[in-house]
Amino acid sequence: KAGVTQTPRYLIKTRGQQVTLSCSPISGHRSVSWYQQTPGQGLQFLFEYFSETQRNKGNFPGRFSGRQFSNSRSEMNVSTLELGDSALYLCASSLGRDVTYEQYFGPGTRLTVT
Amino acid sequence: AQTVTQSQPEMSVQEAETVTLSCTYDTSENNYYLFWYKQPPSRQMILVIRQEAYKQQNATENRFSVNFQKAAKSFSLKISDSQLGDTAMYFCAFRRNSGNTPLVFGKGTRLSVIA
Repeated sequence: KAGVTQTPRYLIKTRGQQVTLSCSPISGHRSVSWYQQTPGQGLQFLFEYFSETQRNKGNFPGRFSGRQFSNSRSEMNVSTLELGDSALYLCASSLGRDVTYEQYFGPGTRLTVT
Repeated sequence: AQTVTQSQPEMSVQEAETVTLSCTYDTSENNYYLFWYKQPPSRQMILVIRQEAYKQQNATENRFSVNFQKAAKSFSLKISDSQLGDTAMYFCAFRRNSGNTPLVFGKGTRLSVIA
């Protein structure tokens, strides 16, 4: 069974631009969570989607948004990029939302904002 | 809000030796799970071991075991017979067992296994 895939793996953008990152969960997984990883702040939760609905949201500005499609694939969008948005963005999928379901992480998308 | 603290930013261990990574957490919850995740240089995070707070017995997965001290809110990871492939960032994480809340991670410990 294929693992969680994220595209693109690397991205360089300029301040003020917007970016869309994609996450394809493991087949059959319906929950997708997104995390931002930076050296200073560590891993911080962005949001979680289940059945095409955002179920949880972390403490990030409205420039960060996401969505989930009927096939459980998820995208996150960052508008008006800032230098501080440079980070590794990880998504994780699980069968369901309950804590007993293991979260499987993708390899991440490395976003660099210049 | 829950917080997870890993006080050792970096550690190193000789191959075949044993190393213990520390983690403390702060919560008012009684029902929760604790996790250790490993992130090798290739960056794909994988689950190493998990512990349910209600279970008194410490979890073990092959060479990996935990020392869970609920009253002290401590959750350390012991790696026995360290291997070069154990070189990675290790993250301790907390998740409530209600409300479908997300994982809360510590800042991580970078472990280097030296030949």
